[in-house]
Amino acid sequence: SQQGEEDPQALSIQEGENATMNCSYKTSINNLQWYRQNSGRGLVHLILIRSNEREKHSGRLRVTLDTSKKSSSLLITASRAADTASYFCATGPIQGAQKLVFGQGTRLTINP
Amino acid sequence: EPEVTQTPSHQVTQMGQEVILRCVPISNHLYFYWYRQILGQKVEFLVSFYNNEISEKSEIFDDQFSVERPDGSNFTLKIRSTKLEDSAMYFCASILDWGHGYTFGSGTRLTVV
Repeated sequence: SQQGEEDPQALSIQEGENATMNCSYKTSINNLQWYRQNSGRGLVHLILIRSNEREKHSGRLRVTLDTSKKSSSLLITASRAADTASYFCATGPIQGAQKLVFGQGTRLTINP
Repeated sequence: EPEVTQTPSHQVTQMGQEVILRCVPISNHLYFYWYRQILGQKVEFLVSFYNNEISEKSEIFDDQFSVERPDGSNFTLKIRSTKLEDSAMYFCASILDWGHGYTFGSGTRLTVV
């Protein structure tokens, strides 16, 4: 399967520091997406990067994609307490109904 | 900003009972999905729906599950005879077109007792 697997599973940093989360997957993809989930809540779409893109920015978020290594990273700069959440990568297949395959997620804790 | 709305937010049901989870996707979106997340586990795909029919379903989506878009706005997931292992958060999502980020609802927490 084309699972996205995040690394690390948990990350705890001080407010103001940068947080980097990594994702690996197994098969060819059309795009890779990152989502945030606050505890017990729904998933919020953060950013989508297409297979022909290498880097994308959105505010304090920076996503990279290396299709040769089948990996992606999400960088959150200047972290805030409100960034505390679980972050999931999800891959979209080349063909099919565009179902997303999610990884296990990284639990990010920002300490004030 | 347009939202995907799910009701109820929490449902408790007895094992063997039927439940219907409701979703109102974003009005101009064309693709609709149900996902579930068992507590502490990853989000799993259940089913996708396009042009009034199921376009793909997972192994989880067995004969006990069904989906319907009865009136052009609502999108429902029915579980005919619930089991304890059906306890999970169920998320509805919609997209306008492939290659776009999904908009997820805030979920229905289903507890089967």
